[in-house]
Amino acid sequence: SAVISQKPSRDICQRGTSLTIQCQVDSQVTMMFWYRQQPGQSLTLIATANQGSEATYESGFVIDKFPISRPNLTFSTLTVSNMSPEDSSIYLCSVLTANTGELFFGEGSRLTVL
Amino acid sequence: GQQVMQIPQYQHVQEGEDFTTYCNSSTTLSNIQWYKQRPGGHPVFLIQLVKSGEVKKQKRLTFQFGEAKKNSSLHITATQTTDVGTYFCAAASGGSYIPTFGRGTSLIVHP
Repeated sequence: SAVISQKPSRDICQRGTSLTIQCQVDSQVTMMFWYRQQPGQSLTLIATANQGSEATYESGFVIDKFPISRPNLTFSTLTVSNMSPEDSSIYLCSVLTANTGELFFGEGSRLTVL
Repeated sequence: GQQVMQIPQYQHVQEGEDFTTYCNSSTTLSNIQWYKQRPGGHPVFLIQLVKSGEVKKQKRLTFQFGEAKKNSSLHITATQTTDVGTYFCAAASGGSYIPTFGRGTSLIVHP
């Protein structure tokens, strides 16, 4: 199993500002992902955070809007840049266990953009 | 990515009634996973099915994977208020190892 600490747990932000979300895992993991969950919706993969190299973004998500860092195998950050109300969502960090294929999620960061 | 269609979107039941949610894909899946998300919580892994026709049970929960590996179901017998939440299926296919999530089924249990 993996224990994932994510912060902030929630924040209220002003339009046009940026917020960085941190994700700390209690063990070294290769596969780390960032998901978005809009209110009442499913989980949408934003990107795969690659250690030591640029993140791999899914269709509809770009680095300028969602820059991601992964300096080591236990930590990653996601920045939501130049926020608008449409970015109000829960952002979830997740890791994949190679042996079981199970995804572990952090508790999420609930962003409200005014 | 792989799309999985999940129905129904919502299900209201009286406590003690059964509940089933279904996932369907137009293509063959490598595996299928099920997650539960309690209100205000984060998704928690329940189970993974890999084999064609596989059936697994966890207490009152029964998970099935279709023979063609294109559909799956989660059945809860005699629901309890603790079963409230959204149940997601997630599936990887082809060469991808990253699961794509269905839209989820929200279960509301009335006492």
